Amino acid sequence: QKEVEQNSGPLSVPEGAIASLNCTYSDRGSQSFFWYRQYSGKSPELIMFIYSNGDKEDGRFTAQLNKASQYVSLLIRDSQPSDSATYLCAVYSGGSYIPTFGRGTSLIVHP
Amino acid sequence: SAVISQKPSRDICQRGTSLTIQCQVDSQVTMMFWYRQQPGQSLTLIATANQGSEATYESGFVIDKFPISRPNLTFSTLTVSNMSPEDSSIYLCSVESYRDNEQFFGPGTRLTVL
Repeated sequence: QKEVEQNSGPLSVPEGAIASLNCTYSDRGSQSFFWYRQYSGKSPELIMFIYSNGDKEDGRFTAQLNKASQYVSLLIRDSQPSDSATYLCAVYSGGSYIPTFGRGTSLIVHP
Repeated sequence: SAVISQKPSRDICQRGTSLTIQCQVDSQVTMMFWYRQQPGQSLTLIATANQGSEATYESGFVIDKFPISRPNLTFSTLTVSNMSPEDSSIYLCSVESYRDNEQFFGPGTRLTVL
């Protein structure tokens, strides 16, 4: 059973702070990792993906991957109230075309 | 990216009836998926819609309850049959990019079963 775990939150951070969202996965063969953002009442939309160990930066977002620890995280710098949403982690195992989604972490950025 | 539309956007149905949800994509895609998302929960894959063959269902989902059609590379339907209140959920269609594994999601169909 492939599992992807996320703390459901809510994670509450003040505007301008760094929000750190975490995701662990059970399948050591996992090869690609995606972060989606889902606003209330809307569909998920991709923020970024990461394949290799280390950090990947895109604007205010940084994805961090540690395959040895089976851990992927998303950092949001200079958090804005518009970042308030649920963030879903999705993990692809090797050879699979179907991702396993975590339950999502609810982020609240308060002014 | 792909632009996906779904119809209906929402519906309220009576127990025991069936509802067919349509998904239309603006480009030809190989992989189309149907998900269910219940309130406060993550996405649960129902099935992969295959063009020209039967859909591939995930554990816990069966064709009799969720028949799927995929007549071409841009269109699919999901039917929720013999509905019960437990079927109340958001149903999402998605497609996968050829370039990488990114999934694009439709706007969803919010179903309420009374």
